[in-house]
Amino acid sequence: DQQVKQNSPSLSVQEGRISILNCDYTNSMFDYFLWYKKYPAEGPTFLISISSIKDKNEDGRFTVFLNKSAKHLSLHIVPSQPGDSAVYFCAAAGGGFKTIFGAGTRLFVKA
Amino acid sequence: SQTIHQWPATLVQPVGSPLSLECTVEGTSNPNLYWYRQAAGRGLQLLFYSVGIGQISSEVPQNLSASRPQDRQFILSSKKLLLSDSGFYLCAWRGGGRQYFGPGTRLTVT
Repeated sequence: DQQVKQNSPSLSVQEGRISILNCDYTNSMFDYFLWYKKYPAEGPTFLISISSIKDKNEDGRFTVFLNKSAKHLSLHIVPSQPGDSAVYFCAAAGGGFKTIFGAGTRLFVKA
Repeated sequence: SQTIHQWPATLVQPVGSPLSLECTVEGTSNPNLYWYRQAAGRGLQLLFYSVGIGQISSEVPQNLSASRPQDRQFILSSKKLLLSDSGFYLCAWRGGGRQYFGPGTRLTVT
């Protein structure tokens, strides 16, 4: 049972344009959501997070939007840069010690 | 500052051989520790987590086991590896609601 779903395995975007990565969750107990970025052969690194009391959080070029009624969140990267090419994991946590990760979306930013 | 170490970085083992992967954390005490696996083309699967010495919770039934002999040491083991155990193994600790990951171990079972 996938509690956190990233339905797009890959996404290709032109440099300078917006990248939008999507994530859906099923467990209404989740109250904290995170995005991680991962390069090959490295551990994931934290990118940005959002609490369920907010619907938007912005950090530089990265913005996360949360739609609790739809159980959906998205990560926007504007403008996209070639160095943003990586695998992006959506994650959700709530009420315990576990953080559940999605399957990841591989982003390609073309120069 | 906190640092998380994993070794070895890469490992090639034959089917049926034992496994021991080690993770240590510096700069924090009594951390919640986690083992994840990323299999080829798949996401991060939570394998085990620990909230203290000797306390292990298993998320997925399989031929792997975990132990926490010391506060900042987390070990992933297997008595007999399967081909399906191949993957990228990540240790993490949790602080401030976030997971902080180690560099990972690439395990190839042949």
